[in-house]
Amino acid sequence: DVKVTQSSRYLVKRTGEKVFLECVQDMDHENMFWYRQDPGLGLRLIYFSYDVKMKEKGDIPEGYSVSREKKERFSLILESASTNQTSMYLCASSLSGLAGNNEQFFGPGTRLTVL
Amino acid sequence: AQSVTQPDIHITVSEGASLELRCNYSYGATPYLFWYVQSPGQGLQLLLKYFSGDTLVQGIKGFEAEFKRSQSSFNLRKPSVHWSDAAEYFCAVGARGSGGSYIPTFGRGTSLIVHP
Repeated sequence: DVKVTQSSRYLVKRTGEKVFLECVQDMDHENMFWYRQDPGLGLRLIYFSYDVKMKEKGDIPEGYSVSREKKERFSLILESASTNQTSMYLCASSLSGLAGNNEQFFGPGTRLTVL
Repeated sequence: AQSVTQPDIHITVSEGASLELRCNYSYGATPYLFWYVQSPGQGLQLLLKYFSGDTLVQGIKGFEAEFKRSQSSFNLRKPSVHWSDAAEYFCAVGARGSGGSYIPTFGRGTSLIVHP
């Protein structure tokens, strides 16, 4: 059974803290994605990575950075958390588009609250 | 740039009734289209996808969707809704990004409420 796991389901942090959200996939997928999900706004892409050490900005990268040192792991970093980053964060992975199958597999999400 | 519009924020249906969720997209080339479902407290799960070929696509859980190029639409349908179908539904269009992969853009979602 394919799987995308996220390190925490719920996280509470204070303003100004550095926050790490971890995502691991066991499907040997080339692509990995970080989204944030807010009511009425759907899913918005923060960053994606199409290979180890390769990353590209999505639609809302401000205030975030990412790291992909190994193929199976993609980390989202909030350098200095702010209250407007309180949200649900979803990680996803997919095969390379060259493989012809672009279905994304999602993790269960991390609900982050910044106080 | 591609975009997706889901005009209905909420849809309420009775159990056993038919369902249609609307999705309109904007994309210059042939689109890759997806419908995902998110049950409460869960991540998203793929219901079905359209890449090419037959414009009527069958998916899991009894869902189907029809691609209509002339209307830029990809509406999701189910003939008889079950209470377990209550969830959030997302339409997405994929555009080719770096490395040749398709990067989906998601709509804002439609929340389906099912009355007994």
